[in-house]
This record gives sequence, C-alpha cells and structure tokens, in this order.
Amino acid sequence: QSALTQPPSASGSPGQSVTISCTGTSSDVGGYNYVSWYQQHPGKAPKLMIYEVSERPSGVPDRFSGSKSGNTASLTVSGLQAEDETDYYCSSYAGSNNFVFGGGTKLTVL
Amino acid sequence: EVQLVESGGGLVQPGRSLRLSCAASGFTFDDYTMHWVRQAPGKGLEWVSGINWNSGTTGYADSVKGRFTISRDNAKNSLYLQMNSLRAEDTALYYCAKDSLWRRYFGAFDFWGQGTMVTVSS
Repeated sequence: QSALTQPPSASGSPGQSVTISCTGTSSDVGGYNYVSWYQQHPGKAPKLMIYEVSERPSGVPDRFSGSKSGNTASLTVSGLQAEDETDYYCSSYAGSNNFVFGGGTKLTVL
Repeated sequence: EVQLVESGGGLVQPGRSLRLSCAASGFTFDDYTMHWVRQAPGKGLEWVSGINWNSGTTGYADSVKGRFTISRDNAKNSLYLQMNSLRAEDTALYYCAKDSLWRRYFGAFDFWGQGTMVTVSS
C-alpha cells in the first residue's frame, strides 16, 4: 500500500490551464478505473471533484476534468480562478478491499 | 441532505483504546459502503478502513491492520472504528466518508463529515 505519487506543487496564472499528475502502479491506478480527485481548502473536509477517472459530480464546474493513461491519472483545471488555489488529492482503489491516496498537490494561482 | 457527524475523539495515552462513531443521515445508510480516512496535522489524507453495506467486506490500511476494527449498525445508521494499541503516529483528524456507489466497494468518497480529532500522547 504505497501512496500514489503527486507533485508537491503546481501553479498557473488566472485563465490558464494546469494539470496535476498522479502516478501509481498496475495494482492501483493502472488496474482499475476507480480513480478520484479531491479538493481540500484549509480547515475544511475534502470535496469530491472527479470520480471513476473522468466523471464529474453534479455541481462541480466543467473546468475540472480527469483522465488516465497507463499507471498515471491526471486532473486538469482549465480557466484557473483564484478560488481554485488549494490542495488536491488523488485516490485509487488498490485491490483487496484497499484504497490509496496521493501525497497531495498544492495548487497556486499566480 | 447527507450528513455525517463523527464523535469519540480525544486525548489518549499510547497503548490505550478509543472508539469513534459516525452518525449518518440524509441517505439510505444500509445501501452504501462507508470509510474512515485520517489526516495527521499538516499532512495528507490516508485511507484507514472501509466496510461494505452488509458488513460482509472490510478493508484496512497496513498501518492499522490488527489494531483497528471497523463496524456498522445499519439499524442505528451508525459507523464505528474501534482503535486499540494506539500509537503516537495515529494522531490525526479522523473523517467518516460515504462511498459513491450503491452497494459496491470500489467507489469514490462523495460525502465527508467534519472529522473528530484523536491525539495519542503521554
């Protein structure tokens, strides 16, 4: 159960797009289409942004999108806004009734 | 409206036990897998444990296996986490989270409580 690998930080200017990667193995990200992404503002509970690799829950802006290639999943935030500046975490089903999170990425809007 | 309210956290000495509870409302509790996820101060999220809708399937992170036990009482719409042999590294905010998939175990965590803080220290 090793944590998924995310870059510690990412940044972009308002209006630009930024992509955050999440790298696992064939036993988690690469083996299942059960990758999800969470946004967490300081002092708040995480919020589901993407599930099953690329599906968006109702109420999540379509500026947020997800994808996967092999053992790496990605979250893309388009049209960056100031309120997007916070922490993002990926998660994946890892088989044998287990789940694993990434270490988190702090997104900065320049 | 889905609500998850955790309780039972507090300060406990190393080696002692604590039982967390999560009261659920606003959805059909016995149709969904439930999870515990924790976050140490200033750190990232760590999945701790999950239990499916009928308690027939459970999972544990390696870091808590053999020490923590997850359970649920569908009649009371409640989720529990029995934590034994607590260690300093178990210090964290413990969140209760609902799985997104109806009667399946693979989903995302679509609703979260506000968490209950557990501090393990002498």
